[in-house]
Amino acid sequence: AQSVAQPEDQVNVAEGNPLTVKCTYSVSGNPYLFWYVQYPNRGLQFLLKYITGDNLVKGSYGFEAEFNKSQTSFHLKKPSALVSDSALYFCAVRDQGNYQLIWGAGTKLIIKP
Amino acid sequence: DAGVIQSPRHEVTEMGQEVTLRCKPISGHNSLFWYRQTMMRGLELLIYFNNNVPIDDSGMPEDRFSAKMPNASFSTLKIQPSEPRDSAVYFCASSRDYGYTFGSGTRLTVV
Repeated sequence: AQSVAQPEDQVNVAEGNPLTVKCTYSVSGNPYLFWYVQYPNRGLQFLLKYITGDNLVKGSYGFEAEFNKSQTSFHLKKPSALVSDSALYFCAVRDQGNYQLIWGAGTKLIIKP
Repeated sequence: DAGVIQSPRHEVTEMGQEVTLRCKPISGHNSLFWYRQTMMRGLELLIYFNNNVPIDDSGMPEDRFSAKMPNASFSTLKIQPSEPRDSAVYFCASSRDYGYTFGSGTRLTVV
């Protein structure tokens, strides 16, 4: 069965510090991995995806994520956090043979000035 | 591209009334999804259409919920009769290949 785990309900980071939001997954085949961000009272916005190729994926707003097959992880990172990065972040996965994205529970990221 | 367009943005209705939520997917996207988001349950997939045909409606909570996609550019989600526990944000998303594009959602409050 496919699943996604975001082990932290909330992550607090000081502005200017690096941030990491964790995601681990389980799929039966090759994974397609995604990160989305949700600002208050808004829909989910696509940040980045891993389909194939380079394990380090760069996305919007300076975010990046590294696909680690051995650890079945796809952690979201940013070298220097901004207060405006404060939002809810969702990791999602599907395998090649499945249309449906499986969503993590979300991690609330709070960046303090 | 205007993105996925949902209407209304907000809906307040009385228990027992019929509610219809609307979605216009991105042109050229052949998959459409309806989601519900609540604090308690997070994101729940309600129904999935592919090429206008409902493929998986196992997430539809009960018979009070129905969804249609009469053509490639329009879908509706109807709740009849509505109940307070249906209060949530309902999202529509469309897709062509790998990822989804979400609409801004409809915040439904049933009083």
